[in-house]
Amino acid sequence: SQQGEEDPQALSIQEGENATMNCSYKTSINNLQWYRQNSGRGLVHLILIRSNEREKHSGRLRVTLDTSKKSSSLLITASRAADTASYFCATDASNYQLIWGAGTKLIIKP
Amino acid sequence: DAGVIQSPRHEVTEMGQEVTLRCKPISGHNSLFWYRQTMMRGLELLIYFNNNVPIDDSGMPEDRFSAKMPNASFSTLKIQPSEPRDSAVYFCASSSGSEDTQYFGPGTRLTVL
Repeated sequence: SQQGEEDPQALSIQEGENATMNCSYKTSINNLQWYRQNSGRGLVHLILIRSNEREKHSGRLRVTLDTSKKSSSLLITASRAADTASYFCATDASNYQLIWGAGTKLIIKP
Repeated sequence: DAGVIQSPRHEVTEMGQEVTLRCKPISGHNSLFWYRQTMMRGLELLIYFNNNVPIDDSGMPEDRFSAKMPNASFSTLKIQPSEPRDSAVYFCASSSGSEDTQYFGPGTRLTVL
C-alpha cells in the first residue's frame, strides 16, 4: 500500500512563482525524501529530512516536516522552466524499502 | 562516476518473447533495487538485493519474472514469456548501506506487443 501521497496531483504555475507540494504518510518514519523525475528520465534525489528535523533548505528548495500531522511540504521558490517535472516523496518503510507516493506533476509556464 | 547504467533504453518485443534487462549499479554500492513504473500503478518495487543476495522479491508479479545479481557490478531482470501487461518503464536503483538515498538509472522502456 502507498504510504506517501502527494497533493496536488498536478500543478501549473507561471515562471518565477513559488510552487508548493505536499506529502502525507501513514506510519512513523525515520526520514522522508523528495525526488524529481523529468519526463523520460529516472528519479533524482533532491533532499532528505530526518524525523527529528522540522525544516531543511537546499538552494531554491525548502522542505518542512510535521511528524505530528504526518505530512511534509516541498517549496520551490522562483520557479524556472527547468523545474517542470514530477515530484515524489518517499518514506522509509524498513531499513531498505522506500514507500513512494504517486507524485505531483509540476508544469512551469514561461 | 557514470551513475547507474541500464540497457537497453528501449525494448519492443512481441508477446511470448523473452526479455532481459540489464543494470550496472554505482561502484561501491551494496544495495540494488528493481522498480517498475506505470501510469496506473506508479512506482513499484520488484526486488531488492543486498551484497548480491536477493533479500525481498515479494514485489515480483509472477513466476515469469526473475532477477539475478551474479556480482556486485551487474544485475539482470528477465521476463519470460513476456505479455502486453508487462509494458512499463523498468528502473534499476542502487544505494550504499550507510545512506537511504537511492540513485536511479535512466530506465528501460519496455513495450510488449
